[in-house]
Amino acid sequence: EDKVVQSPLSLVVHEGDTVTLNCSYEVTNFRSLLWYKQEKKAPTFLFMLTSSGIEKKSGRLSSILDKKELFSILNITATQTGDSAVYLCAVEFPLMKTSYDKVIFGPGTSLSVIP
Amino acid sequence: GAVVSQHPSWVICKSGTSVKIECRSLDFQATTMFWYRQFPKQSLMLMATSNEGSKATYEQGVEKDKFLINHASLTLSTLTVTSAHPEDSSFYICSARRLTSGGAWVQTYEQYFGPGTRLTVT
Repeated sequence: EDKVVQSPLSLVVHEGDTVTLNCSYEVTNFRSLLWYKQEKKAPTFLFMLTSSGIEKKSGRLSSILDKKELFSILNITATQTGDSAVYLCAVEFPLMKTSYDKVIFGPGTSLSVIP
Repeated sequence: GAVVSQHPSWVICKSGTSVKIECRSLDFQATTMFWYRQFPKQSLMLMATSNEGSKATYEQGVEKDKFLINHASLTLSTLTVTSAHPEDSSFYICSARRLTSGGAWVQTYEQYFGPGTRLTVT
């Protein structure tokens, strides 16, 4: 069964801390892994990862993919209260015997950054 | 950045009525759009994949006759919840895929979400 697992499911840190969020997956014919940040409404796109070992960075956020071990991490350095959100990991893969892709989401990691 | 809109942003309807939700990609063409449902404090659950010009692909457990999806153009997909019941009350989110680079062997995409539609069925 195709699945995406995230850990931890929730996390509380102090401002300035560094956090690492984990995402592991089991899918057939992996295409890409995506990270999203969800605050009150719809998720906003953070990163798309397709190749192993290539770190993607955006400000204090960075992410890397390991296709051999089937996981990805999302790092947030020097956390701020504005980083408080649910971070969703999603995996995209082609549907068998079709030309369509499918996306499944992990349960999310709820991050709370306290002053 | 790419923009996806949804309309309406919230709707309240009576049990037994139908509700149509629109998803538009405003500044790019999207051959594929996805429809999700999200219940409180839960992750997004994929309902169906909508492909322009063809029938939608529904996830297991999602009734295609109840959740009608039409992807009539490269910028518009609609989800119609027919004969809505209180248990259909949820947050419905669409996303649209934008091709960011393409070649003979590898294509990369980004997926952008609409703001969501809060449906309450009374």
